[in-house]
Amino acid sequence: GQNIDQPTEMTATEGAIVQINCTYQTSGFNGLFWYQQHAGEAPTFLSYNVLDGLEEKGRFSSFLSRSKGYSYLLLKELQMKDSASYLCAVRDRGGGNNRKLIWGLGTSLAVNP
Amino acid sequence: EPEVTQTPSHQVTQMGQEVILRCVPISNHLYFYWYRQILGQKVEFLVSFYNNEISEKSEIFDDQFSVERPDGSNFTLKIRSTKLEDSAMYFCASSGQGRGNEQFFGPGTRLTVL
Repeated sequence: GQNIDQPTEMTATEGAIVQINCTYQTSGFNGLFWYQQHAGEAPTFLSYNVLDGLEEKGRFSSFLSRSKGYSYLLLKELQMKDSASYLCAVRDRGGGNNRKLIWGLGTSLAVNP
Repeated sequence: EPEVTQTPSHQVTQMGQEVILRCVPISNHLYFYWYRQILGQKVEFLVSFYNNEISEKSEIFDDQFSVERPDGSNFTLKIRSTKLEDSAMYFCASSGQGRGNEQFFGPGTRLTVL
């Protein structure tokens, strides 16, 4: 089966650092993505990992361990505008041009002043 | 910056009616997708499209659904005989050939079936 798990909710303080974890069990793997989604809006791309290790992109970093089926998204210097849902998605590996994303439910992050 | 656009932003329809949701993917992208998100639930894959044909479809994408690329820019999702449970946000996405082939999402169409 396909399963992606994330915490449902997290809270953090403005200026702080927060780590959002994601574990996955999928039949195939061809990359892991993190997206940000504000309420009522479309997901927007944050980061991509296909090899083990850390990818850094400004205030956001993402880590992947394929052997553990584990990733995290690290947000530094939190700002109020970072309050949103953070979605972990795994790209399935399939024949041909199959590039569907399998999504977690998302972690709703509330940043407090 | 190029973006995916979708119309309409909100569609209200009666149960049993047909709706067509429209998308204009990013112009140099080759892969197109439809996803849906029922309120409070996870994003669900519906269908992917490449080279003028369906690459993959999920169990949700049954005979009620169809996709079409009628010209060089539009990508449409048709839902025949809508049901109450089709009420959801429908997102179109497209991706190119970059390193991550990340998918860029349109703003979505909120479909309400009464």
